[in-house]
Amino acid sequence: GAGVSQTPSNKVTEKGKYVELRCDPISGHTALYWYRQSLGQGPEFLIYFQGTGAADDSGLPNDRFFAVRPEGSVSTLKIQRTERGDSAVYLCASSLGTDTDTQYFGPGTRLTVL
Amino acid sequence: AQSVTQLGSHVSVSEGALVLLRCNYSSSVPPYLFWYVQYPNQGLQLLLKYTSAATLVKGINGFEAEFKKSETSFHLTKPSAHMSDAAEYFCAVIPGYSSASKIIFGSGTRLSIRP
Repeated sequence: GAGVSQTPSNKVTEKGKYVELRCDPISGHTALYWYRQSLGQGPEFLIYFQGTGAADDSGLPNDRFFAVRPEGSVSTLKIQRTERGDSAVYLCASSLGTDTDTQYFGPGTRLTVL
Repeated sequence: AQSVTQLGSHVSVSEGALVLLRCNYSSSVPPYLFWYVQYPNQGLQLLLKYTSAATLVKGINGFEAEFKKSETSFHLTKPSAHMSDAAEYFCAVIPGYSSASKIIFGSGTRLSIRP
C-alpha cells in the first residue's frame, strides 16, 4: 500500500517568508509525527498528533512553528518568518497510534532558506 | 533525560566482513529501542526494534541487535557486509512507561563498504 508522502520534496525560500509543508500519512494511521533533521545529525522530534489534537508539541523550537491536522489525516507544518537556521529536512511519520507502534517515515521535505 | 549515543560517526568495513555499529542508551526505565537505516535520498526505514521480548532481535537484510541491560547497549551487527548496506544508521529510543511516543534518535553512523 501507499506509504507516507510529503510535499513538496524540495522548498527554497527567502529569509522572512512563510512556508507550509504537507504530510499525507498512511491510511488508517491515527498518530502523526513531525521531525527535523539538520545536516549530519539525527532527526529531532517536533510535534506529535493523536487524531486531530497535538498530544505533544514540546519539540517545536519557538512560536514561529505551528502544525495542524484538522481532519485527523493530512497535516501541515507551518513556519513563519523563516530564518536561515530553519534549513533542514523535515520528516513526517505515522503509526497506528499506540505508544510503541512502528513509525513509518516519509521521504522528507528539504527546506532551504536563503 | 533519555538519550542514545552512537560510537563512531563513520565506520568502514570490507565487503564480506563483520559489521558492528555501537549504540548505548540512557534510560531510567526499560526502553523501547530501534535501529533505523537511511539510504541516500530516501526516507528512514525500520531495521529492527526491541520491545522487552527476546533480547536478541533479528531484523531485515540480515541485521540483528542484542539488548544488554547490564551494559545499557544495543549494538547492531551483520555477519557479512554487502555493498548495498552502505547507508546511514540511526539508533533510537522511546523511553518505556512514557505516554509520549516521540522517538529520540542518535546522531547516526555512516557505514561505508570497501570492495
